[in-house]
Amino acid sequence: DQQVKQNSPSLSVQEGRISILNCDYTNSMFDYFLWYKKYPAEGPTFLISISSIKDKNEDGRFTVFLNKSAKHLSLHIVPSQPGDSAVYFCAATTRYNNNDMRFGAGTRLTVKP
Amino acid sequence: NAGVTQTPKFRVLKTGQSMTLLCAQDMNHEYMYWYRQDPGMGLRLIHYSVGEGTTAKGEVPDGYNVSRLKKQNFLLGLESAAPSQTSVYFCASSWPFGLWTGGLGETEAFFGQGTRLTVV
Repeated sequence: DQQVKQNSPSLSVQEGRISILNCDYTNSMFDYFLWYKKYPAEGPTFLISISSIKDKNEDGRFTVFLNKSAKHLSLHIVPSQPGDSAVYFCAATTRYNNNDMRFGAGTRLTVKP
Repeated sequence: NAGVTQTPKFRVLKTGQSMTLLCAQDMNHEYMYWYRQDPGMGLRLIHYSVGEGTTAKGEVPDGYNVSRLKKQNFLLGLESAAPSQTSVYFCASSWPFGLWTGGLGETEAFFGQGTRLTVV
């Protein structure tokens, strides 16, 4: 029972353009969402997060949008750079039980020069 | 600046053999986790610990045992390895939300570099 779904296994964009990665969740108890980035042969590293009390959070080129009614979040990268090429995992948890964090299957982003 | 360190990085086991994966963190985190990553499945939580001497089951605990005798270490054991346990294993650590140190970024999990385990 995958409670967090990333339906696009891969995404390819041109350098300088926008990358949009999508994530859907089914558990309405989730109230904290994170994006992790993973390079080959390395562990995931934290990128950006958002609490359910917000609908948008920005950090430089990265913006996460949350649509609670649709149980959907997205990560926007503008402008995309070749160094952004990696696998991106969406994760969700509850603030009062953050030892149970559920991950999506990941989306492999390729940014072409 | 070690963060989370996993040992070993690679291992090949025969079916039925046992082994222990070691995770060490130097950030004084209360929470530690073991995940496995399989193609198309994302990361799935195996076991976790909310403090020294405590452990709990995650999403896929069968076939694994864990121990947290020291705050900085979290061990994952396979008593009798099976081919279905072929995977990449990640350890992670974090603060619980209750220990808020300011800023959303303070509550993320920090991951080790992974252990690629093959059971033949």
